[in-house]
Amino acid sequence: EPEVTQTPSHQVTQMGQEVILRCVPISNHLYFYWYRQILGQKVEFLVSFYNNEISEKSEIFDDQFSVERPDGSNFTLKIRSTKLEDSAMYFCASSEFITGGPNYGYTFGSGTRLTVV
Amino acid sequence: GIQVEQSPPDLILQEGANSTLRCNFSDSVNNLQWFHQNPWGQLINLFYIPSGTKQNGRLSATTVATERYSLLYISSSQTTDSGVYFCAVTVDGDDKIIFGKGTRLHILP
Repeated sequence: EPEVTQTPSHQVTQMGQEVILRCVPISNHLYFYWYRQILGQKVEFLVSFYNNEISEKSEIFDDQFSVERPDGSNFTLKIRSTKLEDSAMYFCASSEFITGGPNYGYTFGSGTRLTVV
Repeated sequence: GIQVEQSPPDLILQEGANSTLRCNFSDSVNNLQWFHQNPWGQLINLFYIPSGTKQNGRLSATTVATERYSLLYISSSQTTDSGVYFCAVTVDGDDKIIFGKGTRLHILP
């Protein structure tokens, strides 16, 4: 079964540093997403990306965050000047988003656990 | 925006027991998925079920879209079923998926 691949699985960074989280979505999927889950809380939407641009972003996704699809396979989330409260599990997801299609659903990667110290 | 409510928030069962997890949503949806988050934090897709009933081994799910709820059934629970079960939905015209707060399931040996 096709997978969404995320690297690294765990990253520890010092407060104020920049981090880049990487994702390889499923190859025939058209929509890409980043979600965040603070420990013990629910999974929150950050941003969706389609056709090489952001299609929607949440209030959480402020100027500290950016996304990029630098080539045909990778999808990255950059967090600038990290803060302690950025510590969370970050999930990448992709979707075919073809209404009524047999595999219309979201596939999530295994997540990157970010710890800011 | 749409509200996704899951119940119960926590559930503790003995191995071998059956369980029913519920997801209520406040508006019409065009996608509903059930996920299992295992102890390592991974989100495992269980069912894509905007309507109807599906079964996969000991797990089955039913969504009654007209009444805005979905149920996840786990039969003959095993300790490996422990974790958090999330219901997540999308609404028409919006491509992001919205999660409920989850049901934390503990299966005791």
